[in-house]
Amino acid sequence: GESVGLHLPTLSVQEGDNSIINCAYSNSASDYFIWYKQESGKGPQFIIDIRSNMDKRQGQRVTVLLNKTVKHLSLQIAATQPGDSAVYFCAEAIQGAQKLVFGQGTRLTINP
Amino acid sequence: AAGVIQSPRHLIKEKRETATLKCYPIPRHDTVYWYQQGPGQDPQFLISFYEKMQSDKGSIPDRFSAQQFSDYHSELNMSSLELGDSALYFCASSLSLLPSEAFFGQGTRLTVV
Repeated sequence: GESVGLHLPTLSVQEGDNSIINCAYSNSASDYFIWYKQESGKGPQFIIDIRSNMDKRQGQRVTVLLNKTVKHLSLQIAATQPGDSAVYFCAEAIQGAQKLVFGQGTRLTINP
Repeated sequence: AAGVIQSPRHLIKEKRETATLKCYPIPRHDTVYWYQQGPGQDPQFLISFYEKMQSDKGSIPDRFSAQQFSDYHSELNMSSLELGDSALYFCASSLSLLPSEAFFGQGTRLTVV
Protein backbone atom coordinates (compact mmCIF):
# COMPACT_ATOMS: atom_id res chain seq x y z
CA GLY A 1 0.00 0.00 0.00
CA GLU A 2 0.95 3.63 -0.10
CA SER A 3 3.08 4.98 2.67
CA VAL A 4 5.28 7.97 3.10
CA GLY A 5 7.32 8.27 6.25
CA LEU A 6 10.16 10.14 7.80
CA HIS A 7 13.28 8.81 9.49
CA LEU A 8 13.40 11.37 12.31
CA PRO A 9 10.48 12.89 14.15
CA THR A 10 12.53 15.78 15.60
CA LEU A 11 15.52 17.75 14.45
CA SER A 12 17.36 20.42 16.39
CA VAL A 13 19.92 22.63 14.67
CA GLN A 14 21.94 25.71 15.45
CA GLU A 15 20.88 28.96 13.88
CA GLY A 16 22.86 29.48 10.72
CA ASP A 17 23.55 25.80 10.15
CA ASN A 18 22.07 23.79 7.34
CA SER A 19 19.15 21.47 8.04
CA ILE A 20 18.42 18.21 6.29
CA ILE A 21 15.03 16.57 6.68
CA ASN A 22 14.54 13.10 5.22
CA CYS A 23 11.57 11.19 3.93
CA ALA A 24 11.10 7.64 2.65
CA TYR A 25 8.28 6.62 0.38
CA SER A 26 7.08 3.28 -0.87
CA ASN A 27 4.89 4.01 -3.90
CA SER A 28 6.99 4.22 -7.03
CA ALA A 29 3.95 5.38 -9.05
CA SER A 30 4.01 8.89 -7.62
CA ASP A 31 4.41 11.83 -9.99
CA TYR A 32 5.13 14.63 -7.61
CA PHE A 33 6.72 15.04 -4.23
CA ILE A 34 6.03 18.12 -2.19
CA TRP A 35 7.45 19.53 1.00
CA TYR A 36 5.16 21.46 3.31
CA LYS A 37 5.90 23.61 6.31
CA GLN A 38 3.32 23.73 9.07
CA GLU A 39 3.51 26.25 11.85
CA SER A 40 1.52 25.84 15.01
CA GLY A 41 -2.20 26.39 14.44
CA LYS A 42 -1.80 26.92 10.70
CA GLY A 43 -2.37 24.91 7.59
CA PRO A 44 0.42 23.27 5.59
CA GLN A 45 2.32 25.78 3.50
CA PHE A 46 3.91 24.77 0.22
CA ILE A 47 7.70 25.00 0.20
CA ILE A 48 8.95 23.22 -2.88
CA ASP A 49 8.05 20.32 -5.10
CA ILE A 50 9.82 17.99 -7.48
CA ARG A 51 8.62 15.84 -10.32
CA SER A 52 9.46 12.18 -10.37
CA ASN A 53 11.60 12.64 -13.50
CA MET A 54 13.96 14.99 -11.67
CA ASP A 55 16.54 14.32 -8.98
CA LYS A 56 17.17 17.82 -7.71
CA ARG A 57 15.40 21.12 -7.52
CA GLN A 58 16.49 24.33 -5.85
CA GLY A 59 14.49 27.19 -4.44
CA GLN A 60 15.33 30.10 -2.22
CA ARG A 61 17.45 28.60 0.60
CA VAL A 62 15.86 25.20 0.01
CA THR A 63 16.85 22.22 -2.08
CA VAL A 64 14.92 19.02 -2.59
CA LEU A 65 16.69 15.85 -3.61
CA LEU A 66 14.94 12.79 -4.95
CA ASN A 67 16.56 9.38 -5.10
CA LYS A 68 14.16 7.03 -6.84
CA THR A 69 16.49 4.08 -6.55
CA VAL A 70 16.11 3.96 -2.79
CA LYS A 71 12.80 5.86 -2.70
CA HIS A 72 14.18 8.65 -0.63
CA LEU A 73 13.41 12.35 -0.54
CA SER A 74 15.20 15.07 1.38
CA LEU A 75 14.75 18.76 2.08
CA GLN A 76 17.80 20.86 2.69
CA ILE A 77 17.41 24.27 4.28
CA ALA A 78 20.46 26.50 4.07
CA ALA A 79 21.43 28.91 6.85
CA THR A 80 18.53 27.91 9.08
CA GLN A 81 16.74 30.83 10.70
CA PRO A 82 14.43 31.00 13.74
CA GLY A 83 11.50 31.47 11.40
CA ASP A 84 12.18 28.03 9.97
CA SER A 85 10.96 26.42 13.19
CA ALA A 86 7.96 24.33 12.24
CA VAL A 87 6.86 20.81 11.42
CA TYR A 88 7.85 19.72 7.94
CA PHE A 89 5.88 17.15 5.97
CA CYS A 90 6.67 15.42 2.76
CA ALA A 91 3.77 14.38 0.58
CA GLU A 92 3.35 12.54 -2.67
CA ALA A 93 0.81 12.99 -5.40
CA ILE A 94 -0.04 10.06 -7.60
CA GLN A 95 -1.33 10.63 -11.10
CA GLY A 96 -5.00 9.82 -11.27
CA ALA A 97 -5.49 9.98 -7.53
CA GLN A 98 -6.99 13.26 -6.38
CA LYS A 99 -5.21 13.41 -3.08
CA LEU A 100 -1.92 13.87 -1.34
CA VAL A 101 -0.40 11.18 0.85
CA PHE A 102 1.46 12.77 3.71
CA GLY A 103 4.32 11.33 5.65
CA GLN A 104 4.98 11.68 9.34
CA GLY A 105 6.15 15.20 10.11
CA THR A 106 9.53 16.25 11.43
CA ARG A 107 9.64 19.03 13.97
CA LEU A 108 12.52 21.38 13.30
CA THR A 109 13.72 23.50 16.20
CA ILE A 110 16.37 26.17 15.98
CA ASN A 111 18.87 26.74 18.76
CA PRO A 112 20.13 30.32 19.10
CA ALA B 1 -4.02 37.41 -2.54
CA ALA B 2 -7.16 35.55 -1.54
CA GLY B 3 -6.62 32.29 0.28
CA VAL B 4 -8.73 29.33 1.25
CA ILE B 5 -11.18 30.37 3.93
CA GLN B 6 -12.46 27.93 6.49
CA SER B 7 -15.12 28.47 9.08
CA PRO B 8 -15.41 28.25 11.93
CA ARG B 9 -11.80 28.32 13.09
CA HIS B 10 -12.68 26.60 16.33
CA LEU B 11 -15.63 24.40 17.24
CA ILE B 12 -16.53 22.58 20.41
CA LYS B 13 -19.20 19.90 20.30
CA GLU B 14 -20.46 17.20 22.59
CA LYS B 15 -20.47 13.51 21.77
CA ARG B 16 -23.26 12.44 19.44
CA GLU B 17 -23.79 16.00 18.21
CA THR B 18 -23.50 17.17 14.62
CA ALA B 19 -21.01 19.62 13.16
CA THR B 20 -20.74 21.39 9.82
CA LEU B 21 -17.43 22.75 8.57
CA LYS B 22 -17.28 25.15 5.66
CA CYS B 23 -14.61 25.79 3.08
CA TYR B 24 -14.41 28.62 0.58
CA PRO B 25 -11.78 27.92 -2.08
CA ILE B 26 -9.51 30.39 -3.76
CA PRO B 27 -11.46 32.22 -6.50
CA ARG B 28 -11.55 30.26 -9.77
CA HIS B 29 -10.40 27.06 -8.08
CA ASP B 30 -12.78 24.25 -8.93
CA THR B 31 -11.38 21.46 -6.76
CA VAL B 32 -11.51 21.12 -2.99
CA TYR B 33 -9.92 18.56 -0.73
CA TRP B 34 -10.62 17.75 2.91
CA TYR B 35 -7.97 16.44 5.28
CA GLN B 36 -8.11 15.43 8.93
CA GLN B 37 -5.09 15.91 11.17
CA GLY B 38 -5.14 14.33 14.61
CA PRO B 39 -2.84 15.59 17.39
CA GLY B 40 0.77 14.98 16.39
CA GLN B 41 -0.32 13.18 13.25
CA ASP B 42 0.11 13.82 9.56
CA PRO B 43 -2.89 15.03 7.55
CA GLN B 44 -5.09 12.20 6.31
CA PHE B 45 -7.08 12.61 3.13
CA LEU B 46 -10.85 12.40 3.57
CA ILE B 47 -12.53 13.37 0.31
CA SER B 48 -12.25 15.64 -2.71
CA PHE B 49 -14.59 17.31 -5.16
CA TYR B 50 -14.13 18.60 -8.67
CA GLU B 51 -16.80 20.65 -10.37
CA LYS B 52 -19.30 19.73 -7.66
CA MET B 53 -18.78 15.99 -8.10
CA GLN B 54 -16.91 13.72 -5.73
CA SER B 55 -13.55 12.94 -7.33
CA ASP B 56 -11.81 10.77 -4.75
CA LYS B 57 -12.51 9.32 -1.36
CA GLY B 58 -10.17 8.42 1.43
CA SER B 59 -10.59 7.33 5.01
CA ILE B 60 -13.81 9.22 5.63
CA PRO B 61 -16.18 7.63 8.15
CA ASP B 62 -19.71 6.84 7.07
CA ARG B 63 -20.87 9.33 9.70
CA PHE B 64 -19.31 12.09 7.62
CA SER B 65 -20.59 13.48 4.36
CA ALA B 66 -19.52 16.35 2.18
CA GLN B 67 -20.57 18.23 -0.88
CA GLN B 68 -19.46 21.01 -3.15
CA PHE B 69 -21.94 23.68 -4.11
CA SER B 70 -22.51 25.67 -7.30
CA ASP B 71 -20.30 28.50 -6.02
CA TYR B 72 -17.56 25.87 -5.39
CA HIS B 73 -17.61 26.19 -1.64
CA SER B 74 -17.72 22.92 0.22
CA GLU B 75 -19.19 21.69 3.48
CA LEU B 76 -18.16 18.74 5.59
CA ASN B 77 -21.00 17.39 7.70
CA MET B 78 -20.14 15.26 10.67
CA SER B 79 -22.79 13.41 12.65
CA SER B 80 -22.79 11.28 15.80
CA LEU B 81 -19.54 12.88 16.83
CA GLU B 82 -17.06 10.81 18.79
CA LEU B 83 -14.17 11.87 20.99
CA GLY B 84 -11.80 10.52 18.34
CA ASP B 85 -13.11 13.03 15.83
CA SER B 86 -11.30 15.77 17.69
CA ALA B 87 -8.76 17.03 15.18
CA LEU B 88 -7.76 19.79 12.84
CA TYR B 89 -9.73 19.69 9.62
CA PHE B 90 -8.08 21.29 6.64
CA CYS B 91 -9.56 22.21 3.35
CA ALA B 92 -7.38 22.78 0.32
CA SER B 93 -8.26 24.00 -3.14
CA SER B 94 -6.68 23.77 -6.54
CA LEU B 95 -7.43 24.31 -10.17
CA SER B 96 -8.47 21.28 -12.20
CA LEU B 97 -7.67 18.29 -10.08
CA LEU B 98 -4.05 19.11 -9.35
CA PRO B 99 -3.53 18.12 -5.71
CA SER B 100 0.17 18.89 -6.03
CA GLU B 101 -0.78 22.54 -6.55
CA ALA B 102 -3.33 22.78 -3.76
CA PHE B 103 -3.34 25.60 -1.25
CA PHE B 104 -4.43 24.87 2.28
CA GLY B 105 -6.70 26.85 4.55
CA GLN B 106 -5.95 27.62 8.17
CA GLY B 107 -8.08 24.73 9.33
CA THR B 108 -10.94 24.21 11.75
CA ARG B 109 -10.05 22.84 15.14
CA LEU B 110 -12.85 20.55 16.27
CA THR B 111 -12.96 19.48 19.87
CA VAL B 112 -15.46 16.83 20.89
CA VAL B 113 -16.15 16.65 24.62
